[in-house]
Amino acid sequence: KAGVTQTPRYLIKTRGQQVTLSCSPISGHRSVSWYQQTPGQGLQFLFEYFSETQRNKGNFPGRFSGRQFSNSRSEMNVSTLELGDSALYLCASSLDRSDTQYFGPGTRLTVL
Amino acid sequence: AQSVTQLGSHVSVSEGALVLLRCNYSSSVPPYLFWYVQYPNQGLQLLLKYTTGATLVKGINGFEAEFKKSETSFHLTKPSAHMSDAAEYFCAVSVETGGFKTIFGAGTRLFVKA
Repeated sequence: KAGVTQTPRYLIKTRGQQVTLSCSPISGHRSVSWYQQTPGQGLQFLFEYFSETQRNKGNFPGRFSGRQFSNSRSEMNVSTLELGDSALYLCASSLDRSDTQYFGPGTRLTVL
Repeated sequence: AQSVTQLGSHVSVSEGALVLLRCNYSSSVPPYLFWYVQYPNQGLQLLLKYTTGATLVKGINGFEAEFKKSETSFHLTKPSAHMSDAAEYFCAVSVETGGFKTIFGAGTRLFVKA
């Protein structure tokens, strides 16, 4: 089985722009979670989607949003980018909501 | 609310020595506990997990962890370190309280000396 894939792997944007990141879960997995990883804050939970519904959300501003499609693929969007949004964004999928999460390689976003 | 504390942001051991990475958690409901490893420029890879049942959990690459409810700990050990074990290790706790949420510790970077 193919693992979790994330596109793009690297992204450079400027302040004020918006960005969309994509995550394709492992085939059959219905739960997708997103995390932000930075040297200062570590790994922080963004949101969890299950069957196209957002089930849980971390403490991030409304500029961070996401969605999940019927094929379980997920996207996250960050609007009005700030320098502090520079981070590695990790997506993880699991078969069910309480099952083991499998992580993708991440998208490294740099905001200039 | 749940939380995870990893004691020591950096741990250094000699090759062949015991590896001990400490993790304490706080949770108001029975948690699932995980250890992940992250190599540079890669995502996280699951080492092992505890859900229910046996408190000593064996994982990949010779790692194991013991769930101690009374101490709210889930320390990771490996009897003999190998150079390839050098990486960052994350302890995580997951609970379901309406939504499903995973909280990660700050991570411990393991250095292995030849």
